[in-house]
Parts: sequence; structure tokens; C-alpha cells
Amino acid sequence: QVQLVQSGAEVRKPGASVKVSCKASGYTFTTSDINWVRQATGQGLEWMGWMNPNSGNTVYAQKFQGRVTMTRNTSISTAYMELSSLRSEDTAVYFCAKMRGAAYSSGWAPWGQGTLVTVSS
Amino acid sequence: QSALTQPASVSGSPGQSLTISCTGTNSDVENYNLVSWYQHQPGKVPKLIIYEANKRPSGASSRFSGSQSGNTASLTISGLQAEDEADYYCCSYGGDITFLYVFGPGTKVTVL
Repeated sequence: QVQLVQSGAEVRKPGASVKVSCKASGYTFTTSDINWVRQATGQGLEWMGWMNPNSGNTVYAQKFQGRVTMTRNTSISTAYMELSSLRSEDTAVYFCAKMRGAAYSSGWAPWGQGTLVTVSS
Repeated sequence: QSALTQPASVSGSPGQSLTISCTGTNSDVENYNLVSWYQHQPGKVPKLIIYEANKRPSGASSRFSGSQSGNTASLTISGLQAEDEADYYCCSYGGDITFLYVFGPGTKVTVL
């Protein structure tokens, strides 16, 4: 079945970077965009950006421009989200999610299980 | 990209119907039937329940339905069940100019 499996929890100090992976299986990785969404404790869902695994093209939310980089390794069907200059407010669960269909309006499913990133000195 | 507004919370008794609104602050929601809805239960992964304003993906309960009028999209839960207690988020796609998405702040549904 279609599945996204993310890397494990991370702890970083303020100012550091973190790279979260999202390994896809059950479909052809290059055929569906991958989106990244985060949820800070007690907060709502926040869209961070998306990447086309075929072309490598990316679109980032304005809030994260300059701090986030989304990449992929097609040989191992894995997408990555790297966030730099971390601050305490970046403590959150980070999710990857696959676009369901060809249209940007088709919604996202499935989602990865989430990766907790804790930023603390 | 517009901001989206949702009620912070709604509640209902089992068997009742309730509706959650999602209003865009500019024409993003109005011009495109591109709103999706996600259910997020505590400790679980968000689940797509409605896409393109009123379409239900396979696996989503038929008790969920969506609609849109002007710049407001709505999610209706019919025959409310205890398992529906969750946070519900609308998400709007800004169209093939911005290629940006934005979530609403979320609505907490409580089953009384």
C-alpha cells in the first residue's frame, strides 16, 4: 500500500539545522508532489511548502523562505525537509504528505507518521 | 494568500448534524473550488475527508459532506458520533499563480 515513513525524533540547539526524511513506498515516487506541514504543541496545522520529486521544483510558504530547503533522492524514493536557524518556536511535529492526484486541488493522502523536532538549549 | 477563518469550537450531541465554516478574506476561496478538509484526532495523523470543496475521497465516511458559497466553504458532519470528536482544518489552494496553500486555524468538535 502507499506509505510514507519519516525519520525519528530530533533534538537540536537554537541556531542549528535539522533534516527530516520521508521515505515513500507503494507508488512511483516521482509522480506525486510531497508537501510538508508542521504542528507546534497546542497549535494548528501550518503548511510549509511542497516539492515536485520529478523536477525537484519547490514552492515554500513565505514564512519559511530562506530557512527551509526541500530536496529528494529519487534513487531511494525519499524526500527531505531541512530547516535551518532553528529557534524554540520551531519545536513541532513535522509531517510529509503525498498529493493524491495530478491536480493541486486533489488533497493530500497519505501522510507520514510525523517527526517531533525539539529545539532546546 | 488569504487568511482563512474558522470557528474555534463547535459541539453537538450524538446523532445531530453540525456545520463548520471556513471563510477566506479575499477571493482565493471564492474563485476556486479548491478547499479541502482534514480531520485530526489526538495522537493520530491528519486525514483527508473532503477535497475540491465537495468531493469525498474513498475511505472517508459518507457522513461528511462539503459545500461552498462565495468565499465560504462549509463542512457538515451528519449523524454525529463520538469518534468524530477531533480538530477539523480547512485548507485552501491559491491556484496556479501562487501555488501556495494555507490552513485555517482549525475547529475543535466536541461530541456531548
